[in-house]
Amino acid sequence: AQKITQTQPGMFVQEKEAVTLDCTYDTSDPSYGLFWYKQPSSGEMIFLIYQGSYDQQNATEGRYSLNFQKARKSANLVISASQLGDSAMYFCAMREGPGAQKLVFGQGTRLTINP
Amino acid sequence: SQTIHQWPATLVQPVGSPLSLECTVEGTSNPNLYWYRQAAGRGLQLLFYSVGIGQISSEVPQNLSASRPQDRQFILSSKKLLLSDSGFYLCAWSALPGGRGQPQHFGDGTRLSIL
Repeated sequence: AQKITQTQPGMFVQEKEAVTLDCTYDTSDPSYGLFWYKQPSSGEMIFLIYQGSYDQQNATEGRYSLNFQKARKSANLVISASQLGDSAMYFCAMREGPGAQKLVFGQGTRLTINP
Repeated sequence: SQTIHQWPATLVQPVGSPLSLECTVEGTSNPNLYWYRQAAGRGLQLLFYSVGIGQISSEVPQNLSASRPQDRQFILSSKKLLLSDSGFYLCAWSALPGGRGQPQHFGDGTRLSIL
């Protein structure tokens, strides 16, 4: 079974609109962490935001926020006031267990911001 | 600050030739190190990770190998490349002890084409 599922292969959004990228996960471990990365066309992976399973509040980093719904096992990334430079692939990833070394990545969502 | 260097940026190799990709990290000690492969338009597949010198964990059986001869050096190798080895290879590091909130930081990647 997929550990991380990103159901939107591609999304098109008008500049300055907010966008939500979906991510659901599957784990039986009570301690886990969820990460979002951005991959522009140049290829580098850029860390955006982190949410821990025990965190009481949704994570926020500038224009990025995480809509964490633990009971539904979803960790959607919200980008407010989208910009042309936000066009990229976005990956959700999970680390299971407090001492885990590995990340499991989803298949990604390609976000295109239209002017 | 910490930096990660990965080279070469692009590589074109014939089938059956050997491979050596190198990754080094600066500004930190005893990092966790990772090698990933990304097929075109897909997510990241973890190939190897290392928690210390000479300690290599293999995630996917294949004709690739990894070595960590020094604390901040991680090398991906192959004796004979296959067509299926084509892809985008990314090296990453994270700080020990790999706590929940420690993201992985990625190099710029190597685009490997096998002819």
